[in-house]
Amino acid sequence: DAKTTQPPSMDCAEGRAANLPCNHSTISGNEYVYWYRQIHSQGPQYIIHGLKNNETNEMASLIITEDRKSSTLILPHATLRDTAVYYCIVRVNRDDKIIFGKGTRLHILP
Amino acid sequence: NAGVTQTPKFRILKIGQSMTLQCTQDMNHNYMYWYRQDPGMGLKLIYYSVGAGITDKGEVPNGYNVSRSTTEDFPLRLELAAPSQTSVYFCASSPTRWTLHFGNGTRLTVT
Repeated sequence: DAKTTQPPSMDCAEGRAANLPCNHSTISGNEYVYWYRQIHSQGPQYIIHGLKNNETNEMASLIITEDRKSSTLILPHATLRDTAVYYCIVRVNRDDKIIFGKGTRLHILP
Repeated sequence: NAGVTQTPKFRILKIGQSMTLQCTQDMNHNYMYWYRQDPGMGLKLIYYSVGAGITDKGEVPNGYNVSRSTTEDFPLRLELAAPSQTSVYFCASSPTRWTLHFGNGTRLTVT
């Protein structure tokens, strides 16, 4: 699986959009980008995934660059409950394993 | 649905003791996973299973064993507990490998 690079921490003001970047410059054509988050002491929660096109669901939007070497997770109106560690993962769909990196610790500031 | 249930929630073990961490899911998911998370660190995959009777090693399998005799249950066994196994253990299941559903974790201390 391709390696991902994320900033260790970020701050965002409550009510603003939180934009979390992920670099995956070695991604191959059949690898998907997944995002999970882990709120303090809980099990991680799936957010969204995508291959090439931008994706949106009730939780977030995922923007993948045209060359697929990076992506951005967007939380449109961040709240204090969005304070968590956010993990960006790339994997081949047929791969049974899901390997987590270190993630980005997002602090939402009141 | 209860989802993924892990027991116990907390446990303290002495060095050399053994124990089994229980994980059960009621969603009829084929895929199940065990992760450990050390304080302030990310998750490490211990073992996983793609269906009843099939298990495979993850990133950090040493010191652990698993079995998958039914779709619902995926217990994790520690035979000779060591301080390095102090961690939070998360079990997860998935219907299709696309998304994981996690339990609330077991906090294990080995002293």
